[in-house]
Amino acid sequence: SQQGEEDPQALSIQEGENATMNCSYKTSINNLQWYRQNSGRGLVHLILIRSNEREKHSGRLRVTLDTSKKSSSLLITASRAADTASYFCATDAFGNEKLTFGTGTRLTIIP
Amino acid sequence: GAVVSQHPSRVICKSGTSVKIECRSLDFQATTMFWYRQFPKQSLMLMATSNEGSKATYEQGVEKDKFLINHASLTLSTLTVTSAHPEDSSFYICSALHRRLKETQYFGPGTRLLVL
Repeated sequence: SQQGEEDPQALSIQEGENATMNCSYKTSINNLQWYRQNSGRGLVHLILIRSNEREKHSGRLRVTLDTSKKSSSLLITASRAADTASYFCATDAFGNEKLTFGTGTRLTIIP
Repeated sequence: GAVVSQHPSRVICKSGTSVKIECRSLDFQATTMFWYRQFPKQSLMLMATSNEGSKATYEQGVEKDKFLINHASLTLSTLTVTSAHPEDSSFYICSALHRRLKETQYFGPGTRLLVL
């Protein structure tokens, strides 16, 4: 499968700052989702954005989608130590429920 | 809601033995479940798609005779790693597609397998 790329691979910021992660993918998509994974644990679903949407908010999360550039960004505002985790984007295609995951961004929030 | 469990959470076994991992959707029905494998500090790689009442669909490069999948009911899928070898050591994660809310996969907590 064509795995997406995430940028940066790792990010360390001070608590309270905003964190931005980017995801690029290669083929046309139906939906793009962002997941969080704490070390050695399963994935927690954060937000889903459809291909006909450009921006979506959920609490401190803001996701944008640019289908012309095949890219998405995840912004976490006012970061907290508990936000320390790996973040993955995942895409699915029309008529196909399988997810293709990006390479992930390891986010570290420094208290 | 939408909770998925996996059992066991951690298993250590000897080379050559078989290990069974269970994936259950606790509060919803899942006609489709997925099995992923994740190596340290890497992303998730889909191994197979498990559909209730039918044979699993395996991704390219995944040996179906080595990784046996059974989706016996709308809430249970099992992955059996047969004749395990040290290179099978990994983190195995399942996900379940809600029967009605089909856009989102809900993930289990994962099973860490160590083959000695």
